[in-house]
Amino acid sequence: SQTIHQWPATLVQPVGSPLSLECTVEGTSNPNLYWYRQAAGRGLQLLFYSVGIGQISSEVPQNLSASRPQDRQFILSSKKLLLSDSGFYLCASSLDNTDTQYFGPGTRLTVL
Amino acid sequence: GENVEQHPSTLSVQEGDSAVIKCTYSDSASNYFPWYKQELGKRPQLIIDIRSNVGEKKDQRIAVTLNKTAKHFSLHITETQPEDSAVYFCAASRGAGNMLTFGGGTRLMVKP
Repeated sequence: SQTIHQWPATLVQPVGSPLSLECTVEGTSNPNLYWYRQAAGRGLQLLFYSVGIGQISSEVPQNLSASRPQDRQFILSSKKLLLSDSGFYLCASSLDNTDTQYFGPGTRLTVL
Repeated sequence: GENVEQHPSTLSVQEGDSAVIKCTYSDSASNYFPWYKQELGKRPQLIIDIRSNVGEKKDQRIAVTLNKTAKHFSLHITETQPEDSAVYFCAASRGAGNMLTFGGGTRLMVKP
């Protein structure tokens, strides 16, 4: 079965600073990967998804970007953080031929 | 695109009572309907899912029913316990390779 790792677990960053969140997946190959954001007390907002290396689709235009440099690595980045970027960032994975998504442990980001 | 509505947004029940959470979806081509449980500060965890070729699925105290004609599906929790307290999310998709569209979530509180 697949295991999803996210790093770091928590992060406090000043407004205007850069961001890099990492997600890695073990136990499977060629997964579909997703980045979600969850504001405090709110639902899940899909930010990006990827069906393969270098293939990124954006769901919400904003100051965030995503990259997939390796099959089982998904990175979320920003050049300049905004206060509104604070939230719980969740990476999810599904096997190539299935629709069941499993979530990683998440990164809690606070922008001050 | 798909739109998933979830009701109620909050639900308070007495321990031992049943809880029912309902979701409606708009895309008649959707055929996969998972439910996730998210405890405070944790990742969403898949608790049960159903596909459109069945009308009901049970797993111990949890059951999900699907009415494709009416385009709605429900989560039923019987004999609720305090540890069932969490936020529950429903979702819908067209199947493998397609995105999950999440409902807004239901905060369930089970009073001892």
